[in-house]
Amino acid sequence: NAGVTQTPKFRILKIGQSMTLQCTQDMNHNYMYWYRQDPGMGLKLIYYSVGAGITDKGEVPNGYNVSRSTTEDFPLRLELAAPSQTSVYFCASSYSGEGDYGYTFGSGTRLTVV
Amino acid sequence: GIQVEQSPPDLILQEGANSTLRCNFSDSVNNLQWFHQNPWGQLINLFYIPSGTKQNGRLSATTVATERYSLLYISSSQTTDSGVYFCAVERSDTGNQFYFGTGTSLTVIP
Repeated sequence: NAGVTQTPKFRILKIGQSMTLQCTQDMNHNYMYWYRQDPGMGLKLIYYSVGAGITDKGEVPNGYNVSRSTTEDFPLRLELAAPSQTSVYFCASSYSGEGDYGYTFGSGTRLTVV
Repeated sequence: GIQVEQSPPDLILQEGANSTLRCNFSDSVNNLQWFHQNPWGQLINLFYIPSGTKQNGRLSATTVATERYSLLYISSSQTTDSGVYFCAVERSDTGNQFYFGTGTSLTVIP
């Protein structure tokens, strides 16, 4: 049981380049999330999805796009990379509803924009 | 969003010591979780605790929702407890959106 898998683990981008961060979960969770973590800070929510075909903005969505065509996959797209997007990105998934959501994080993608 | 404050920001303990980490939040919440981020960056869910007290081995947590705070207790600390501890809260009107505090960085020395 792999849980939440993120690729790549590390990436260096030049300003203005684009890339997609991949996230896949095999727990049949219907909720998925993308967070960013800046040095010495907590996590901030970028986008989330409550099910296939449904996405919504979090606290810091500017400069990012997402899609959710299947329950398992939730890719995050950076269209025009900027130095302010240098961060560690975490994907997470959970069950919906009340109670313990079974919140599970991926191992993260460290992105540097130069 | 909800403001989440954690204290202390940094903590250094001798192995075997006990500690209490605090999380204050600015509004009523329907969900609160504690996470541990190990030195390699992996985030692990420790407790789901919107109210009351839970224990899991040497760790326990208490949330007093009416007074808007939660406490995480670590007893007989071990070097493997090192890392950053995050509190995250959720309000019912924000869907499954968690707001994270800036964390308490714990270092346990042998």
